Amino acid sequence: ILNVEQSPQSLHVQEGDSTNFTCSFPSSNFYALHWYRWETAKSPEALFVMTLNGDEKKKGRISATLNTKEGYSYLYIKGSQPEDSATYLCAFEFRGSTLGRLYFGRGTQLTVWP
Amino acid sequence: SQTIHQWPATLVQPVGSPLSLECTVEGTSNPNLYWYRQAAGRGLQLLFYSVGIGQISSEVPQNLSASRPQDRQFILSSKKLLLSDSGFYLCAWSIPSGRARDTQYFGPGTRLTVL
Repeated sequence: ILNVEQSPQSLHVQEGDSTNFTCSFPSSNFYALHWYRWETAKSPEALFVMTLNGDEKKKGRISATLNTKEGYSYLYIKGSQPEDSATYLCAFEFRGSTLGRLYFGRGTQLTVWP
Repeated sequence: SQTIHQWPATLVQPVGSPLSLECTVEGTSNPNLYWYRQAAGRGLQLLFYSVGIGQISSEVPQNLSASRPQDRQFILSSKKLLLSDSGFYLCAWSIPSGRARDTQYFGPGTRLTVL
């Protein structure tokens, strides 16, 4: 069983605060790490696919880093806005698995208060 | 552009009743298709995976089954629902690149409550 852990489980911040959360995954047989944003009443939306140790990806105010040797990825949101409120999911893909098989964490639920 | 549809959006079914959830994808050919479930307090769990018509891989043994009668149609079924089948069911698709790392695109989901 592959364990993908996300922390914290939930987070409440004020508008304008910057925040970050963690995804931990097995460090062996790494192939890719995916980040998704899941807003209430919408479909999960892909944010990043990260493949190389030291990768840093950015999309607007959201960025992510990857450390495959120690098995973690951080997602950062700079200057949080109410529209950033969502559950952020990470999913691990390991080398040798069924092509495209993703193992999801339980997510971090972010609430941004105006 | 590609779109993915799922129906119904919500469903309340008694224990022991049958189930059929449908997913269709438009705007792409020969996609990989996936069924996921999110049970209360748990992460997204892959249930079934398909790389082509009639080709289904099951990830978790359960009383559910899946079929892919057409290239862009994926159906999740059960002959007799259990209470533990309650959850949020998501269909997803990806364009197979042959080297994985493919982004998966999700449908709007079906909320199933088994009473």
